[in-house]
Amino acid sequence: GAGVSQSPSNKVTEKGKDVELRCDPISGHTALYWYRQSLGQGLEFLIYFQGNSAPDKSGLPSDRFSAERTGGSVSTLTIQRTQQEDSAVYLCASGNPTGGTGTDTQYFGPGTRLTVL
Amino acid sequence: AQSVTQLGSHVSVSEGALVLLRCNYSSSVPPYLFWYVQYPNQGLQLLLKYTTGATLVKGINGFEAEFKKSETSFHLTKPSAHMSDAAEYFCAVSDLSGTYKYIFGTGTRLKVLA
Repeated sequence: GAGVSQSPSNKVTEKGKDVELRCDPISGHTALYWYRQSLGQGLEFLIYFQGNSAPDKSGLPSDRFSAERTGGSVSTLTIQRTQQEDSAVYLCASGNPTGGTGTDTQYFGPGTRLTVL
Repeated sequence: AQSVTQLGSHVSVSEGALVLLRCNYSSSVPPYLFWYVQYPNQGLQLLLKYTTGATLVKGINGFEAEFKKSETSFHLTKPSAHMSDAAEYFCAVSDLSGTYKYIFGTGTRLKVLA
């Protein structure tokens, strides 16, 4: 079975432009997470989707960041008016929280490397 | 609030030597703990996890970790390092507040010397 896929694998953009990053989770996984991996900040949680529930957006660093998950499957992370500090690898993960516990394994995609010039 | 500390951002070992990567956590409730490995330009791959039960957990590629509640530790070990083990390793705790998002340590880059 296919794993988590992300596109594009690399994105170079100019400061001030908007970008969209896409994540295709493993089929049947109800939970989807976005993380950001940057030098000096490590791996940071951004946003969490679980089924039809309202997403947990507590990790989004500013209102320039938003995300959607359509039909409980594909997710898009949008960054508006990109800044140089947005340069990072954006990782998507999916999983199936088991019985409402935290034992779920998250399966990660290869990430999108975003470079803002 | 939960947190994870990985001591040593870089660790070097000789091929065939013991690998020990340290992870300490802070949690007010019994944690669920994970080790992931990241090879260059790839995503994170699960090595092993501790949820409940046996405190010595065996994972892929010969790695294992022991959950020690008294020491709030979950150190990763491998008896004999292989060149292919060179990668970055992340310890994580699952946030039990409801989202189960991971709280990661800052990572340890393992270098294996021939």
